[in-house]
Amino acid sequence: EAGVTQFPSHSVIEKGQTVTLRCDPISGHDNLYWYRRVMGKEIKFLLHFVKESKQDESGMPNNRFLAERTGGTYSTLKVQPAELEDSGVYFCASSSGVNTEAFFGQGTRLTVV
Amino acid sequence: GESVGLHLPTLSVQEGDNSIINCAYSNSASDYFIWYKQESGKGPQFIIDIRSNMDKRQGQRVTVLLNKTVKHLSLQIAATQPGDSAVYFCAETGSGGYNKLIFGAGTRLAVHP
Repeated sequence: EAGVTQFPSHSVIEKGQTVTLRCDPISGHDNLYWYRRVMGKEIKFLLHFVKESKQDESGMPNNRFLAERTGGTYSTLKVQPAELEDSGVYFCASSSGVNTEAFFGQGTRLTVV
Repeated sequence: GESVGLHLPTLSVQEGDNSIINCAYSNSASDYFIWYKQESGKGPQFIIDIRSNMDKRQGQRVTVLLNKTVKHLSLQIAATQPGDSAVYFCAETGSGGYNKLIFGAGTRLAVHP
């Protein structure tokens, strides 16, 4: 069975541009989470989907970040416009239940120059 | 605010020795404490968790100890192997649910032959 997959693995964009990250959760997992680790800091929660609904988006840093999960399958995280401080590794995770183990993807390393 | 931190940023051990990775947490309301392992180029991988009403839990070669009096968490790895080399993160659930995690900064474990 495939694990959580994220695309792209790396992205380098210029400040002011738009980038869209994609996450494909494990098939059948209703719960999908986005986290990120910016340089030198801890991994921080961004938001949580249950199927297509945003359960908790309290970790989203500002309105330049937009997460979607149309149809309740894969999810996208768009950053528009990107700023230098958005550089970091963005992780997606999924779980079958709210209180069950979450499986993480390999992450997308975003570099804004 | 809530925070989880690590006492040692790096730990070097000889193959076959036991490893102990420590972590301090601040939120007494956390229901679960979880250890993750992250190898290079991969996302965090669940190792073991412990519920707040326990003080010890054992897995395969790993033991997690929870001391709620001093808000301290540790991961013990027995007979450390080269494949154990990775960054280890402790995480707590805070008040937001099992997968809305608060991560520590991470400890790098280097195993030498």
